[in-house]
Amino acid sequence: AQSVSQHNHHVILSEAASLELGCNYSYGGTVNLFWYVQYPGQHLQLLLKYFSGDPLVKGIKGFEAEFIKSKFSFNLRKPSVQWSDTAEYFCAVKGGRRALTFGSGTRLQVQP
Amino acid sequence: DAGVIQSPRHEVTEMGQEVTLRCKPISGHDYLFWYRQTMMRGLELLIYFNNNVPIDDSGMPEDRFSAKMPNASFSTLKIQPSEPRDSAVYFCASKLRDQETQYFGPGTRLLVL
Repeated sequence: AQSVSQHNHHVILSEAASLELGCNYSYGGTVNLFWYVQYPGQHLQLLLKYFSGDPLVKGIKGFEAEFIKSKFSFNLRKPSVQWSDTAEYFCAVKGGRRALTFGSGTRLQVQP
Repeated sequence: DAGVIQSPRHEVTEMGQEVTLRCKPISGHDYLFWYRQTMMRGLELLIYFNNNVPIDDSGMPEDRFSAKMPNASFSTLKIQPSEPRDSAVYFCASKLRDQETQYFGPGTRLLVL
């Protein structure tokens, strides 16, 4: 079975601080990895994805994530957060023919 | 494209009543997914369809839940009878066969009193 762990449930940062949200997955084969974002009152939107190739993936709004296969990790980063980044962030994994499995989410609160 | 459309956006009902949630996927998408989001359990996959056929319904909590997809442009998730613990946000998502990115609808916020 595949699973996703997001260890940070709630993160509070000041504007301009750097962000790193952890995501670890378990699956023995090739995986596709995603980060989705859910802004307050809105639906989930794709932030970035990794399928193959360069393990450093750049997404929208200055976000990036690095796939480290040896660590089964796909951490999300942003050098300098803004108040508008306040949202909930979900890591997701898809292995083989399985459906997408989401992590429990990390609520990010950015204080002005 | 209008994106994934869900209705109603909000539903408040009393315990024991039947609830029907509706979803219109993005035109041309072959897959449709129903998710439930709660504070306690996060985002859970309930069921998904491929070409209108249910593929995996192992996430459906119990027999009170049922989902149908009578055609490529419409799906329903029905709860009968509803219970307070069913209160959650229910999302529908769709994707193309050859792509892995899912596109989510705005969700239906359900409150069962």
